[in-house]
Amino acid sequence: GNSVTQMEGPVTLSEEAFLTINCTYTATGYPSLFWYVQYPGEGLQLLLKATKADDKGSNKGFEATYRKETTSFHLEKGSVQVSDSAVYFCGQSGGSNYKLTFGKGTLLTVNP
Amino acid sequence: GAVVSQHPSWVICKSGTSVKIECRSLDFQATTMFWYRQFPKQSLMLMATSNEGSKATYEQGVEKDKFLINHASLTLSTLTVTSAHPEDSSFYICSARQQRTNTEAFFGQGTRLTVV
Repeated sequence: GNSVTQMEGPVTLSEEAFLTINCTYTATGYPSLFWYVQYPGEGLQLLLKATKADDKGSNKGFEATYRKETTSFHLEKGSVQVSDSAVYFCGQSGGSNYKLTFGKGTLLTVNP
Repeated sequence: GAVVSQHPSWVICKSGTSVKIECRSLDFQATTMFWYRQFPKQSLMLMATSNEGSKATYEQGVEKDKFLINHASLTLSTLTVTSAHPEDSSFYICSARQQRTNTEAFFGQGTRLTVV
């Protein structure tokens, strides 16, 4: 079945450091891919998405490219801020019922 | 736009009682809603997918008689935890999607359930 595997972390960085969170997926067909962010005590917010191969999603300085050949959707940001501290979830939508499933989440802490 | 409201945000109940959690799409019609359970160390488990007017599709290992899901209208889905026990204590999150396709879903703020 469809699944998502992401770097579990936790990841701790200093402000202005470069961020990469790896995400790979397995799927039948052509899923849509997402990154969501969860701040403490809250639900998930959509950060960015890509719906087909080679699409690049971007938002708030974060980027991810849908790579079909490597079945990956790695999240990157060139210069993180303290306010980026949160849990990041890689997700995919596809398969029967267009289920939306996620990796286990990666806790990012950015220190000043 | 695309606001999903979940209520209550937290609830404490006695063991053996039932608890209902509501999930509403405020400014769009939600053809599909998802219910998740979030475990410690953030792991997010899909419990079930419900399409408006149809029975929910439960994931393997999720007891449908214990976690009753109703999606009777395009703006409201409910999750009822029946005969709750302490091991049901968790953070439950709903999400809603306008179309029955691979588009993004929008999430409620979650409900912290504590069973004592």
